[in-house]
Amino acid sequence: NAGVTQTPKFRVLKTGQSMTLLCAQDMNHEYMYWYRQDPGMGLRLIHYSVGEGTTAKGEVPDGYNVSRLKKQNFLLGLESAAPSQTSVYFCASDTEGTEAFFGQGTRLTVV
Amino acid sequence: TQLLEQSPQFLSIQEGENLTVYCNSSSVFSSLQWYRQEPGEGPVLLVTVVTGGEVKKLKRLTFQFGDARKDSSLHITAAQPGDTGLYLCAGIEAAGNKLTFGGGTRVLVKP
Repeated sequence: NAGVTQTPKFRVLKTGQSMTLLCAQDMNHEYMYWYRQDPGMGLRLIHYSVGEGTTAKGEVPDGYNVSRLKKQNFLLGLESAAPSQTSVYFCASDTEGTEAFFGQGTRLTVV
Repeated sequence: TQLLEQSPQFLSIQEGENLTVYCNSSSVFSSLQWYRQEPGEGPVLLVTVVTGGEVKKLKRLTFQFGDARKDSSLHITAAQPGDTGLYLCAGIEAAGNKLTFGGGTRVLVKP
């Protein structure tokens, strides 16, 4: 069982470049989330989705956009990367109130 | 200010000692979860509590949900080096639908 798969696992960007992080889940979960985790800290919610075609802002949405065109995929976009966006990004999915399953994370460095 | 405040942020103890981690909020939660995260991995669910006053035990780990469903605690008895990790509480607000995390407590159990 694949669970939650994130691509890529690592990426280095130059300031101002754009990129898209892909999250795919095969558990038919309604809810999907994008978090960022900075050294020694917990997870901060960037954006989330409660179903196909819907998205909502989390705690730290600025500088990011998302799309949920298909139920199994949740894309996170950085239009113009900044050094402050250097972080580890985690995608998760669940059915409301149940266990959230996480991907392995994407380590992004913006130089 | 985070919705869920965890304390302490860091805990270093000797093998065999007990420890307690706290998760507090001014909001009411419909459910609260505890996760454990290893370096380089995504968080993995330990337990979910849904009823005010609920106590759940998982081997040497005891989880409690406050009567008012605003706080929770994790108690580890006779800690072992294998308990080392980042412990995260997460919850869904009673009036919301997104999973929000606390800042995490880093636990180090020395042999």
